Amino acid sequence: DAGVIQSPRHEVTEMGQEVTLRCKPISGHDYLFWYRQTMMRGLELLIYFNNNVPIDDSGMPEDRFSAKMPNASFSTLKIQPSEPRDSAVYFCASSLAVWYNEQFFGPGTRLTVL
Amino acid sequence: AQSVTQLGSHVSVSEGALVLLRCNYSSSVPPYLFWYVQYPNQGLQLLLKYTTGATLVKGINGFEAEFKKSETSFHLTKPSAHMSDAAEYFCAVSVTGANSKLTFGKGITLSVRP
Repeated sequence: DAGVIQSPRHEVTEMGQEVTLRCKPISGHDYLFWYRQTMMRGLELLIYFNNNVPIDDSGMPEDRFSAKMPNASFSTLKIQPSEPRDSAVYFCASSLAVWYNEQFFGPGTRLTVL
Repeated sequence: AQSVTQLGSHVSVSEGALVLLRCNYSSSVPPYLFWYVQYPNQGLQLLLKYTTGATLVKGINGFEAEFKKSETSFHLTKPSAHMSDAAEYFCAVSVTGANSKLTFGKGITLSVRP
């Protein structure tokens, strides 16, 4: 398997623009997680899905953030409108159903909002 | 809710020296503990995990950690540091339940001096 795939790897945009980050989890994994990593706040869980259903979105910072998982092999994280404080590295991770299984992380998307 | 504390943000050791990265957890039920490593510009990858059974857990790249319930600790060690060990290390905790959700510590950066 190719592992968790994220695109784009880098995104530079201007304030106010819509940003869409994409993730393809490992085939067969039932859980998908979106994280944000910044120097100030460290690694934060934004939202996670189980069998394509959002389970906990309490980490989503504002209504400007939304996430979808239309099928088992694809998820998006959208920011609309984007702001400079959204600049961060966004990671997608996936895992098998059992809670103690490891999460496999993608390479991340480095987002810069000017 | 469970939590993890990693004191300090940076540890520097000489090549060949002992590596000790500290992690303390808080959990009202038996925890499941993980160490992840993040190399520059990459996603996180699992080093080792403790679920049940033997409290001394061996991981990849010569790392090991010991679960000490009485001290609520899960410190990561490696007898002899190598230059390639320079990275950021995250301790994480999870508990039993219907949904897999890791709680990460703030991470600690390991530098290795020649």
